[in-house]
Amino acid sequence: DGGITQSPKYLFRKEGQNVTLSCEQNLNHDAMYWYRQDPGQGLRLIYYSQIVNDFQKGDIAEGYSVSREKKESFPLTVTSAQKNPTAFYLCASSIQGGANTEAFFGQGTRLTVV
Amino acid sequence: DQQVKQNSPSLSVQEGRISILNCDYTNSMFDYFLWYKKYPAEGPTFLISISSIKDKNEDGRFTVFLNKSAKHLSLHIVPSQPGDSAVYFCAASVSSGSARQLTFGSGTQLTVLP
Repeated sequence: DGGITQSPKYLFRKEGQNVTLSCEQNLNHDAMYWYRQDPGQGLRLIYYSQIVNDFQKGDIAEGYSVSREKKESFPLTVTSAQKNPTAFYLCASSIQGGANTEAFFGQGTRLTVV
Repeated sequence: DQQVKQNSPSLSVQEGRISILNCDYTNSMFDYFLWYKKYPAEGPTFLISISSIKDKNEDGRFTVFLNKSAKHLSLHIVPSQPGDSAVYFCAASVSSGSARQLTFGSGTQLTVLP
């Protein structure tokens, strides 16, 4: 089945450690996105990528890094510089340049930093 | 500065009645609007969308209305069912650029009472 897979679903890390969240899609979408959701807030864009080997910062990129070495994969690293990393992280993908198309989301990763 | 606002954090409706969820936006460049439904600990799923060239789009029990002059859109669900209980996010995007960056509202928790 086509879709977006995020792993793991739950992740615990100690403060000061970097952690990488996985996102894989087999929808043949060019564009991929990372969002963060906090209680009572909407989804905020962290990074997005329109094509392999290219990515741009979103609204809240500080403390995060990404790579896009393959079309199917867009991993997100939460670095120790991220001041408040505990959140629900969502990966999405969409057709590149598609007019009036929606983004498809993965199931999310809940990251807890202790 | 929130460009997409959902001013009602929660809404309760009796089963069988109409649910009306509202969304306001400030950016007049937005030309495509979407509604997503989200269950706890899951990714959002696309529900319905509308282009700025239309003022209404209907899909089964779901209808989205767009009032461009008021920069307001609403989602009507009729009749409401207990399974509709979820958080509903409205989102908006601009057609410029090839990756559709979605700007999300903060969500409205809909509870449909049996």
